Amino acid sequence: NAGVTQTPKFQVLKTGQSMTLQCAQDMNHNSMYWYRQDPGMGLRLIYYSASEGTTDKGEVPNGYNVSRLNKREFSLRLESAAPSQTSVYFCASSAQAGGPLEQFFGPGTRLTVL
Amino acid sequence: DAKTTQPPSMDCAEGRAANLPCNHSTISGNEYVYWYRQIHSQGPQYIIHGLKNNETNEMASLIITEDRKSSTLILPHATLRDTAVYYCIVKTSGSARQLTFGSGTQLTVLP
Repeated sequence: NAGVTQTPKFQVLKTGQSMTLQCAQDMNHNSMYWYRQDPGMGLRLIYYSASEGTTDKGEVPNGYNVSRLNKREFSLRLESAAPSQTSVYFCASSAQAGGPLEQFFGPGTRLTVL
Repeated sequence: DAKTTQPPSMDCAEGRAANLPCNHSTISGNEYVYWYRQIHSQGPQYIIHGLKNNETNEMASLIITEDRKSSTLILPHATLRDTAVYYCIVKTSGSARQLTFGSGTQLTVLP
């Protein structure tokens, strides 16, 4: 199993450009998440999808949109990138009801907005 | 979710036990204590969780005080690969399943 995969690994954008970060998991998990991590900071939740067909805002949703394409895939879109969105983006997934909050994280996408 | 307090940094000699404390004095009865770690530039990794009793798995042990206001994560024989930021998170199991990460403890294992 590959676990949680993210593409691309690195990206440089100019202010105002758009892009989509892709995330996929092969663990048959129901819930998926997008976090961002700024230098020296903890992770902050952008959006999450508790199950296929649902999405909800997290702590810092402004400037982002998400799509839960199917059970495996959860994408994050920046419509008009800004320098404040320079960060490392992590996708995660977890089983839904019942078990512990064990989230499995991808390797991250390092985004720089100039 | 209850707030947690962790020291910003700790050192530990290789081969010795690393004891990482976490204060969660406002924890409520149905909130679990979770520990994650993040090795430099990687995604966070789940370590262990507990409610009331002490817990042990292949990675670590979790000791929760009787009043549940604090806990300690123990790495019994720290190695250089355990150098990471360790996050203590308190969360109700049945609530929305997103995690709230604070600033954690930077553990440095010294050779």
